[in-house]
Amino acid sequence: GQQLNQSPQSMFIQEGEDVSMNCTSSSIFNTWLWYKQDPGEGPVLLIALYKAGELTSNGRLTAQFGITRKDSFLNISASIPSDVGIYFCAGRTGTASKLTFGTGTRLQVTL
Amino acid sequence: GAVVSQHPSRVICKSGTSVKIECRSLDFQATTMFWYRQFPKQSLMLMATSNEGSKATYEQGVEKDKFLINHASLTLSTLTVTSAHPEDSSFYICSARRTGTDNGKTEAFFGQGTRLTVV
Repeated sequence: GQQLNQSPQSMFIQEGEDVSMNCTSSSIFNTWLWYKQDPGEGPVLLIALYKAGELTSNGRLTAQFGITRKDSFLNISASIPSDVGIYFCAGRTGTASKLTFGTGTRLQVTL
Repeated sequence: GAVVSQHPSRVICKSGTSVKIECRSLDFQATTMFWYRQFPKQSLMLMATSNEGSKATYEQGVEKDKFLINHASLTLSTLTVTSAHPEDSSFYICSARRTGTDNGKTEAFFGQGTRLTVV
């Protein structure tokens, strides 16, 4: 099935650093979502974006819906150890249609 | 917040046997549930969309006779892996969307996943 391309594939950063990751698609999406998955768990929704150009924050997390509707980015400021995990973007074309998940960005935070 | 629970969280079965995984929405009704499969270090791949009271819609390449889905109530969907083989070993995750929220601005909630190991 179709997947969204995420970059980077993995990141090793020090505690306190800011993180930026993005997600790109060859197709247009009407909704962009960002999830975090801890090992052995299901994904948890972090931020939802519903409008092109929209910039939304959730605590230290900020995400933007690209103006072309083919990309999105997620920023994490002042990273902490509990930010460790895999971050997935996901896109949806219609109001009730299925999600397409990105390839994931694995984040490691060192003290 | 809304809770989606999967059972079991882990299961080991012998090759050739069948395994049933349950997905329950604990505090809301869900007309639509989704089943995903995730192989190690890979993304989530949608297997099928489960609709209460009707047949599931399977994604291309997913064998409907091997992965039986039943959504008999508004709070329960089950996935049965029939005649399991080692290559079916994976992490299976469900999600559930609250009934009446197909407005494009309310997202489904994910279960905690089921780790299936076929030996």
